[in-house]
Amino acid sequence: QVQLQESGPGLVKPSQTLSLTCTVSGGSVSSGAYYWGWIRQHPGKGLEWIGYKWHSGSAYYNPSLKSRVTISVDTSKNQFSLKLSSMTAADTAVYYCARDYYGSSRYFGYLDYWGQGTLVTVSS
Amino acid sequence: QSVLTQPPSASGTPGQRVTISCSGTSSNIGTNTVNWYQQLPGTAPKVLIYNSNQRPSGVPDRFSGSKSGTSASLAISGLQSEDEADYYCAAWDDSLNGHVVFGGGTKLTVL
Repeated sequence: QVQLQESGPGLVKPSQTLSLTCTVSGGSVSSGAYYWGWIRQHPGKGLEWIGYKWHSGSAYYNPSLKSRVTISVDTSKNQFSLKLSSMTAADTAVYYCARDYYGSSRYFGYLDYWGQGTLVTVSS
Repeated sequence: QSVLTQPPSASGTPGQRVTISCSGTSSNIGTNTVNWYQQLPGTAPKVLIYNSNQRPSGVPDRFSGSKSGTSASLAISGLQSEDEADYYCAAWDDSLNGHVVFGGGTKLTVL
């Protein structure tokens, strides 16, 4: 059974860079069938897609966050990571890592496994 | 303002059939498939429908999806109390180098 687990700081100061890691078990981030991504949810609000990364190359980012986001995949550790720079209070949210099963139909958006989510608060 | 438009709320009584709509444009739903997610309070979203009308194993056949043009729908038949949750549609959008877009979510209340 595939499991994803987010880890990282729960509190970040304004202007700092958020770094989150998602550890994958029961599956390999090197599989070509999947993209690895991050989605966030502001308190009491809907879901916001942050971006995706394939294990070797292709990356796609939310146009509204693109200038601040980097997603990377570490095949040696079976992990992938999110870096979001210049954090502000507006970035306070629950951050989810998830797997997109692109290989199922060659269309994006089929997020078949999710982490439990981690709350990140931006405050001085 | 979400790219995909969903009604903010829906409701039904146990046993009833309810539908939730998701409206998009030619750059997202019009040319790509739609996925539906259920989010119970305090938990991560769970996929109910992928590829517009496919159910992952383990999802009851009470849940079904359809797509026509630039709109999609999620139908829930035989409504149960445990179906009370937030529901989101999602699709790939071909504009701006490509990105995933979500609907704003629909809160389903079982009366």
